[in-house]
Amino acid sequence: SYELTQPPSVSVSPGQTARITCSGDALPKQYAYWYQQKPGQAPVLVIYKDSERPSGIPERFSGSSSGTTVTLTISGVQAEDEADYYCQSADSSGTSFVFGTGTKVTVL
Amino acid sequence: EVQLVESGGGLVKPGGSLRLSCAASGFTFSSYSMNWVRQAPGKGLEWVSSISSSSSFIYYADSVKGRFTISRDNAKNSLYLQMNSLRAEDTSVYYCARRLAGTGLLGLDYWGQGTLVTVSS
Repeated sequence: SYELTQPPSVSVSPGQTARITCSGDALPKQYAYWYQQKPGQAPVLVIYKDSERPSGIPERFSGSSSGTTVTLTISGVQAEDEADYYCQSADSSGTSFVFGTGTKVTVL
Repeated sequence: EVQLVESGGGLVKPGGSLRLSCAASGFTFSSYSMNWVRQAPGKGLEWVSSISSSSSFIYYADSVKGRFTISRDNAKNSLYLQMNSLRAEDTSVYYCARRLAGTGLLGLDYWGQGTLVTVSS
């Protein structure tokens, strides 16, 4: 089955930049989406269509795509950004959604 | 304000059944595809199933195919998940989530708070 691979963890100091990668063979064919999930809460969409930001999401969140890898960048990280982040896309047919393995972002 | 409220979770024995519901409000429910996503305790997100706005297109993850059935009632603004032959590995928080509007957009823009399903003897 199709998989999306993320690093398990990323640590960053406040004010620095965090980058989270997500790799998958079908990413050149399907858009990627990114979600932030804090403990005990439902996921929140922070990036859609590879690089678009929903209304209400701070500008420090951005997304990019290159070949089979997409990247979520958090610029000027704040303590409130500490959370789990998941990428999501679909298989090449678009009928099966898939989530990445998840990355825990720790703000030092 | 978009709201999705799940219900129907609980404790069930292996082999048992449960029906989850998701009540939608604050948007035109009949215009959106909907999904169920689950999360086992301490684990990542797993997509379960999706249903198009008119129920014409339905898809399942391999892990639940043949055991779970997704459905919707647009007159009642409600989404359902009938879960049969439940296994211990189905223990999770189950979220309902709305799919983004727009052709080719397969992201989920609104999520409920989830309902916990525990499968144990």
